[in-house]
Amino acid sequence: SFELTQPPSVSVSPGQTATITCSGDRLGDKFATWYQQKPGQSPVLVIYQDWKRPSGISERFSGSNSGNTATLTISGTQSMDEADFHCQAWDGTSVVFGGGTKLTVL
Amino acid sequence: QITLKESGPTLVKPTQTLTLTCTFSGFSLGTRAEAVGWIRQSPGKALEWLALIYWDDDQRYNPSLRSRLAITKDSSKDQVVLTMTNLAPVDTATYFCAHRAREPSARLYYFDYWGQGTLVTVSS
Repeated sequence: SFELTQPPSVSVSPGQTATITCSGDRLGDKFATWYQQKPGQSPVLVIYQDWKRPSGISERFSGSNSGNTATLTISGTQSMDEADFHCQAWDGTSVVFGGGTKLTVL
Repeated sequence: QITLKESGPTLVKPTQTLTLTCTFSGFSLGTRAEAVGWIRQSPGKALEWLALIYWDDDQRYNPSLRSRLAITKDSSKDQVVLTMTNLAPVDTATYFCAHRAREPSARLYYFDYWGQGTLVTVSS
């Protein structure tokens, strides 16, 4: 079955760029989605179709997807960005989520 | 504006059946290409997709849970119901319903609106 793998945690200093990866077999042939989830809240869509941002999402969030890896990049990271980030894809028959990455802004 | 809200029991005993209702507004499940899904999240764990139902009543399920799940819709009430049988403590989780974004491509699958979630605890 198709699986998505994320690092459990990523740390970044304020103002720096955070990079969160999501790996899966030939993920680049599918579309990657990213959600941000803060404690006690529902997930919020931040990137869809690999790189598109929904209305209202900061331009500091960007995405890419190629080969076996999708990447979420957060530039100029702020304390408000601290959250869990989940990648997701559709494998043709099922919705698949990654294990989630906790982003800590130190 | 699309909104979704989950409702159902907060405490269920092992072996019992769980029934959750998602009541939504801002779209109609009678409209072509609309779909609603259920996703759960055990405490401190990852999101896990459970099921999805389309406007035409087509249903999709997580293969690992397929035998325990049933998803139905009532378009006249703007509701989607998820039933899960034979509950166990490992099913303790927050259950979310979410709106699948309407996209022309069948390969584009993502959820653009989520409910607030409802915590279900399985314990005797």
